[in-house]
Amino acid sequence: AQRVTQPEKLLSVFKGAPVELKCNYSYSGSPELFWYVQYSRQRLQLLLRHISRESIKGFTADLNKGETSFHLKKPFAQEEDSAMYYCALGPLSGGYNKLIFGAGTRLAVHP
Amino acid sequence: DTEVTQTPKHLVMGMTNKKSLKCEQHMGHRAMYWYKQKAKKPPELMFVYSYEKLSINESVPSRFSPECPNSSLLNLHLHALQPEDSALYLCASSQDGGGNWGYTFGSGTRLTVV
Repeated sequence: AQRVTQPEKLLSVFKGAPVELKCNYSYSGSPELFWYVQYSRQRLQLLLRHISRESIKGFTADLNKGETSFHLKKPFAQEEDSAMYYCALGPLSGGYNKLIFGAGTRLAVHP
Repeated sequence: DTEVTQTPKHLVMGMTNKKSLKCEQHMGHRAMYWYKQKAKKPPELMFVYSYEKLSINESVPSRFSPECPNSSLLNLHLHALQPEDSALYLCASSQDGGGNWGYTFGSGTRLTVV
């Protein structure tokens, strides 16, 4: 079964602290994984995709196929990072991508 | 233009009404999607259009009827909805059906069925 698990509903940290938002997936094929972010009253935005290995707003994520994980990390959290973060799995279905979202983790960064 | 535009932003409709949600993008994306998002829940896929053809229907009730008139437009026709259909309806697009570059989402239409 194709599934994305984000075990934490809420992650609360202080400004300057390191952040790790956990994501585990279940998929038998070669996964395409993404992190999306939704700031308050804004649209869902693509933050990272694993194939590009990029760093956006100081966030990085590494695909670990052995542990079937794609955790999102940032060494020093900022207040403006407070948002809802969704991990998403994009397996092919009938030749077309179909994003499956995790339940989401709300990150709250306190001053 | 790097956005997906959805109209209306808010919609209140009765259970006997017929209404339509509209979605537009001018990024040349060839795949477009409808998602439904309930409060405090992740988005759930409803429909996928690729090259203007319906390619995925996630067993959505027939009271929801999608339409893709051309490569830039996606509509969702609503008829005889139930109160439990109240949700945020999100439209998204991607460069192609592969979605490797991720999706661009609209800001959504918040639908309330009374």
